[in-house]
Amino acid sequence: AQKITQTQPGMFVQEKEAVTLDCTYDTSDQSYGLFWYKQPSSGEMIFLIYQGSYDEQNATEGRYSLNFQKARKSANLVISASQLGDSAMYFCAMRRNTGNQFYFGTGTSLTVIP
Amino acid sequence: EADIYQTPRYLVIGTGKKITLECSQTMGHDKMYWYQQDPGMELHLIHYSYGVNSTEKGDLSSESTVSRIRTEHFPLTLESARPSHTSQYLCASSAVPGQGTRSYNEQFFGPGTRLTVL
Repeated sequence: AQKITQTQPGMFVQEKEAVTLDCTYDTSDQSYGLFWYKQPSSGEMIFLIYQGSYDEQNATEGRYSLNFQKARKSANLVISASQLGDSAMYFCAMRRNTGNQFYFGTGTSLTVIP
Repeated sequence: EADIYQTPRYLVIGTGKKITLECSQTMGHDKMYWYQQDPGMELHLIHYSYGVNSTEKGDLSSESTVSRIRTEHFPLTLESARPSHTSQYLCASSAVPGQGTRSYNEQFFGPGTRLTVL
């Protein structure tokens, strides 16, 4: 069975500091994709960043980067230079490339402190 | 910009009413999904579809039903709403490998419907 674990229910970070949100996954598949989504209080889910299981380089998208450690099955999200608008729930997700099923973690609530 | 729409955005109704939550996407995606999410909690997959006339139940048992008569449309129906159905319902779609314009094939989400059953 596939499983996504986010062990930090809530995190606080000072504005302009960097923060790491943890995500580990459990799969026996060799081919899969890892995603991070942001969900502000308004409720919509916003796609942030993607990492393929065969990608050798860590993904980066602006202030977001993904620290991918395949052997440890971890895909931590790093947000640099936090902004007040980063306060939201963050969900880690995995897609099995066989069957295209998605699995979501329980989420981490991030609060950026001015 | 994702082109996936949900209506209504907010709905407050009484117990026993029949409701349909609409979801439409204009991206031509074959795969569509419905998730149920309580505030600040994880997403639970309740239904998904891999194409027209294909529907499957998700991991979380739900009294709702879905249909997929057209590629772009994936409505969710509750025949008799109850207070336990109060939640946010998120619709999503994704391309299959080779269908999308890039390899991510991420799920695109609609804005959600916040349902309150009194």
